[in-house]
Order: sequence, then structure tokens, then C-alpha cells
Amino acid sequence: SQTIHQWPATLVQPVGSPLSLECTVEGTSNPNLYWYRQAAGRGLQLLFYSVGIGQISSEVPQNLSASRPQDRQFILSSKKLLLSDSGFYLCAWSPGGAANYGYTFGSGTRLTVV
Amino acid sequence: AQTVTQSQPEMSVQEAETVTLSCTYDTSESDYYLFWYKQPPSRQMILVIRQEAYKQQNATENRFSVNFQKAAKSFSLKISDSQLGDAAMYFCAYTGTGNQFYFGTGTSLTVIP
Repeated sequence: SQTIHQWPATLVQPVGSPLSLECTVEGTSNPNLYWYRQAAGRGLQLLFYSVGIGQISSEVPQNLSASRPQDRQFILSSKKLLLSDSGFYLCAWSPGGAANYGYTFGSGTRLTVV
Repeated sequence: AQTVTQSQPEMSVQEAETVTLSCTYDTSESDYYLFWYKQPPSRQMILVIRQEAYKQQNATENRFSVNFQKAAKSFSLKISDSQLGDAAMYFCAYTGTGNQFYFGTGTSLTVIP
């Protein structure tokens, strides 16, 4: 069966520090991968999605970046965090080709920038 | 562009009662899929129910059912016999021919004992 792992679960980082959040999927090949951010009490904002290795689409211009170095690995990064980067980050995957059966989400990372 | 609208930011229901959460969407596509996701306090997103637009029959999953009105572009979620564990944020979502989901802004459901 397919599983998605996301870590760390919680992170407190100072302003200006770097960020690296990692997401991996097991039990499938060539998944579509997504990074979402959710501010407190608000909806989901799509940050990046990827349909293959090295293929990244950005939905929101900001100081975050994403990379997909391996088929089932998706990394969210920042060189210098801002206070506004605080939030809850969710990784998700869907079978390659279409998302007809829905996304499967990771358990999320709660990021607090101080 | 596809949009998903949830007009009820907050709802409440008495335990064991029935509640309906509303969702409307806008699309020009004829083939698409609709979903309801639940986000409990743990913030793990859980798929509750899925509806294929070409199917007229409303999807059901145990106590959860939908009222899918394609012409009206409406997709409401009914929760029967509400339980304390149903308290969560509920998101309506749409996907069409592409890979992306479009989420509504969510409805926070409180279950009153």
C-alpha cells in the first residue's frame, strides 16, 4: 500500500534561518507531488506541484522553493525564513496523470518562525 | 478558472442530529470530480467522500452522504447521527482534467454534546 511521510512534525526557526521540509512517498511510482500551506484558521494555499523529477511548478512567488531530486521525494526549502512563513505545511500526492481519486496528505509540519 | 465556494465558515450541530455543509463550484468542464475532506484538530487531512460528476447517484459513505446537483453546481455534505469525533474543519474540493485540486475555504463544524 502507498504511504506518505512528512517531517519534521514541528519546527521552530528564527527569522533569517534556512528551511528544509521533506516528503517521501512509498509504494507507488511517478506520483504527482504537492506542497500546500495553511495559515491558522484558513484554507489551503497551493505552493508547488511536481509531475516528475526536476519538474516543479510554482503557484505563489515567494522566498520558498521546492525540489524533486528523486521520483518519490519532494523537498520544500527556504534560504532565509520570514515571519510570514509561519504556518502549517502539508505535502500530498496523487497518482501520476490525474487526481481523480483524490490527494493523500502527509501529517503536516507546523512551522513557527520567531 | 475553477472556483470552489463554501459560504458557511462555521456550523454547529447537536450530537446525534443531522447537519448539512454547503459547497458550490464553478467550472466549464464536463468531466470532473468532487471531494469532501475532513481536517480534525490533529490537522491530518482525511478524505471523507468522492463524487464523479458523470454519475447521477449521490455518493454515500456510512453516515456521510452528498447531495450533488450538477446543473446548480452544488455539492453539499450531509452528516447523519453526528458524533463528537465529527468535529473538524471540512473542505470541499474539485479536480478536473488536470492534476490540481481547487479547495474551498472550509467550514468549521462544532458538535455539541
